[in-house]
Amino acid sequence: EDQVTQSPEALRLQEGESSSLNCSYTVSGLRGLFWYRQDPGKGPEFLFTLYSAGEEKEKERLKATLTKKESFLHITAPKPEDSATYLCAVRKTSSGTYKYIFGTGTRLKVLA
Amino acid sequence: GAGVSQSPSNKVTEKGKDVELRCDPISGHTALYWYRQSLGQGLEFLIYFQGNSAPDKSGLPSDRFSAERTGGSVSTLTIQRTQQEDSAVYLCASSLAGAYNEQYFGPGTRLTVT
Repeated sequence: EDQVTQSPEALRLQEGESSSLNCSYTVSGLRGLFWYRQDPGKGPEFLFTLYSAGEEKEKERLKATLTKKESFLHITAPKPEDSATYLCAVRKTSSGTYKYIFGTGTRLKVLA
Repeated sequence: GAGVSQSPSNKVTEKGKDVELRCDPISGHTALYWYRQSLGQGLEFLIYFQGNSAPDKSGLPSDRFSAERTGGSVSTLTIQRTQQEDSAVYLCASSLAGAYNEQYFGPGTRLTVT
């Protein structure tokens, strides 16, 4: 069964305290892994797409990496404005089309 | 430019009533997606449109749910005979056609069935 699991469910960091969020997946026909940020009351905001194992992408304090079984979102020296829910999603082929499977997210709180 | 817009932003309805949720995608985006997000749950994929056609409707929770897209633009998600378990935030996203294009999400419609 296709599954996307994110951990931890919630994370509290002090400002400047680096950490990593995990997204593990078991999916057949993977066609990309996506990271999104979601603020309360808003739709998810795209961050990264990773296509193949070994790929890395960076944006400001965020760095996403991908292996054959999981992806990590590394947050370096976070600031309070990085507080949000971070969602991971995988895209797979299914019956000639595509499906997206999302994890339940990691709620990140960065304290000043 | 304008992002994805959804209306209404909030909808409260009585059990058994029908509701229509609207999504206006980004101009030029041929792919459109509907998701449902319940409290404490991940985003649940509902349906995907490429142009006006929906190759995969298997994500719709029941036959009370239907969606259409006209003119390759606006989409409407209709829920008939609403039930309390339909209460959730309904999110719409659009993207350019292609295998790896990222989705741009709207702000969602919060549906409450009383």
